[in-house]
Amino acid sequence: QQQVKQSPQSLIVQKGGISIINCAYENTAFDYFPWYQQFPGKGPALLIAIRPDVSEKKEGRFTISFNKSAKQFSLHIMDSQPGDSATYFCAASSANAGGTSYGKLTFGQGTILTVHP
Amino acid sequence: KAGVTQTPRYLIKTRGQQVTLSCSPISGHRSVSWYQQTPGQGLQFLFEYFSETQRNKGNFPGRFSGRQFSNSRSEMNVSTLELGDSALYLCASSKRGQDGYTFGSGTRLTVV
Repeated sequence: QQQVKQSPQSLIVQKGGISIINCAYENTAFDYFPWYQQFPGKGPALLIAIRPDVSEKKEGRFTISFNKSAKQFSLHIMDSQPGDSATYFCAASSANAGGTSYGKLTFGQGTILTVHP
Repeated sequence: KAGVTQTPRYLIKTRGQQVTLSCSPISGHRSVSWYQQTPGQGLQFLFEYFSETQRNKGNFPGRFSGRQFSNSRSEMNVSTLELGDSALYLCASSKRGQDGYTFGSGTRLTVV
């Protein structure tokens, strides 16, 4: 199956809190897992990405945790700020038949994050 | 540097017409992917082009087609438009398709 299931659909966090968004996948061929942030009227912007050879990757306040055996990965936003209020998408991809491209991303349904000041 | 540029930003078409959307990738990027975004179905992959060749294709009917030019600019075409084709169409580019994709702001297509 090609699905990526994302939860929760919406999330409200207080300023300074930790936001956690979870994703689960079924296709064991997936080996590239990016997270995107989308503001209204804009296209998705790449936040951070991970490959299955590591269990965690951190960039600033954003951390991806990856559990290969459970086929799950999550995004943690530390010290959440009102400016982080946006829709977040997890995605997954595998190489094409020629091994030359990860251009076919399968996206989760998105999480609307609201950070209250 | 300039980002991914999509034109036009907004488009209104009548059912049965056809439409062509344009995407100019970041300079030096040779891979271009297209996605459809709707509230109900979310982000769905349409196709990917690299060096004028289609490398990946999603599960959309044949009414949806695309192409890429030698300067890496890409166009997608939708023929015989249906009301359900109303969506935000997003283009994304990458250097070779093995690293992160940068998205444009999209073309909002409304079919009436």
